[in-house]
Amino acid sequence: EAGVVQSPRYKIIEKKQPVAFWCNPISGHNTLYWYRQNLGQGPELLIRYENEEAVDDSQLPKDRFSAERLKGVDSTLKIQPAELGDSAVYLCASSPAWDEQYFGPGTRLTVT
Amino acid sequence: AQRVTQPEKLLSVFKGAPVELKCNYSYSGSPELFWYVQYSRQRLQLLLRHISRESIKGFTADLNKGETSFHLKKPFAQEEDSAMYYCALSGGYQKVTFGTGTKLQVIP
Repeated sequence: EAGVVQSPRYKIIEKKQPVAFWCNPISGHNTLYWYRQNLGQGPELLIRYENEEAVDDSQLPKDRFSAERLKGVDSTLKIQPAELGDSAVYLCASSPAWDEQYFGPGTRLTVT
Repeated sequence: AQRVTQPEKLLSVFKGAPVELKCNYSYSGSPELFWYVQYSRQRLQLLLRHISRESIKGFTADLNKGETSFHLKKPFAQEEDSAMYYCALSGGYQKVTFGTGTKLQVIP
């Protein structure tokens, strides 16, 4: 099994441009997480979905970030417009319940 | 608010020496605690969780509610243990908070 799939793996954009990340969780996992990991830091939760419902988006900067999880499977995280401080690794994880999380490889975003 | 503190950014030990990676937490309720590991060029993965009280790859961790700690221990370090280790807490409403991580370097 491929596990959690994310694309793209790397993205370089100029500031003020939009960017989108895609995540395909493990089949059957109802819970999906998006994290941002800055250099030298641990993952910071941006949003958590239970099926298609966003149950915790308190850490999502809603002025420029948006996310969706249509049909409770794949998810997309968007940033528009991107800022220099958004450079980070964006991680997607899924879980069959609320405990163990399975992480994807991440998308490394560089904003220039 | 819940918080996880890993005081050491880097821990270097010699092969065969004991390892202890520190994790302290702040949470008013009963937390679920985890250790995740990320080996070089691999994705983050669960190492162990306190609720299962298991030993994985020789590592153990005991939840000490009095000291609000969940330190990760191994009696004899191996070179393949070199990795980034993250302590994580799942608290109210299943909100998960990660620590900043400790890089373990095992010197041959």
